[in-house]
Amino acid sequence: QKEVEQDPGPLSVPEGAIVSLNCTYSNSAFQYFMWYRQYSRKGPELLMYTYSSGNKEDGRFTAQVDKSSKYISLFIRDSQPSDSATYLCAMSVRSSGSARQLTFGSGTQLTVLP
Amino acid sequence: DAGVTQSPTHLIKTRGQQVTLRCSPKSGHDTVSWYQQALGQGPQFIFQYYEEEERQRGNFPDRFSGHQFPNYSSELNVNALLLGDSALYLCASSLPGPISYEQYFGPGTRLTVT
Repeated sequence: QKEVEQDPGPLSVPEGAIVSLNCTYSNSAFQYFMWYRQYSRKGPELLMYTYSSGNKEDGRFTAQVDKSSKYISLFIRDSQPSDSATYLCAMSVRSSGSARQLTFGSGTQLTVLP
Repeated sequence: DAGVTQSPTHLIKTRGQQVTLRCSPKSGHDTVSWYQQALGQGPQFIFQYYEEEERQRGNFPDRFSGHQFPNYSSELNVNALLLGDSALYLCASSLPGPISYEQYFGPGTRLTVT
């Protein structure tokens, strides 16, 4: 079993829809959670970064963390064709040193249709 | 402000050869991590460099080695290339100190082994 599970999709929605992307994890030591957006043949771009359980909002994006259920979500409101990309969740354990290893999900491919 | 840069963009090598990939971190960042991303998968952690030393290593063989220079730039070396080493190699940099767990990625180097 992978430490981080993510539905690969593909997910196709009409423009303006609310998109929900999810990841589950098994390692309870994960405390830092990130969402990245990756366009085809490009490097991942950091979208959201959260530490505690609860919600964090940034424009059209909301990240949600439920540590008790080991479940994280990314919501995209008023989705646009430019949001079409692969979305990757990533997690890290807390470290007192410099270690910053990220464990990624396999990514969900999203297409927003005009 | 330049982000993370990587060179070369693309590379084609033959089985058994050796390859060196290069990365310059984002301005102000001192920690560099390398990831391997196979097609359709999330990035997998190879290793991390901080203060010119390898601080953490993922589940990759010794054929994968690296180096960090005093200016924080880094190299990834892969010896005795296998067909399975074909992937997108990503470099990520992060801020110094124990507070930040955010990592910023470069565009990647696409390696094809024939």
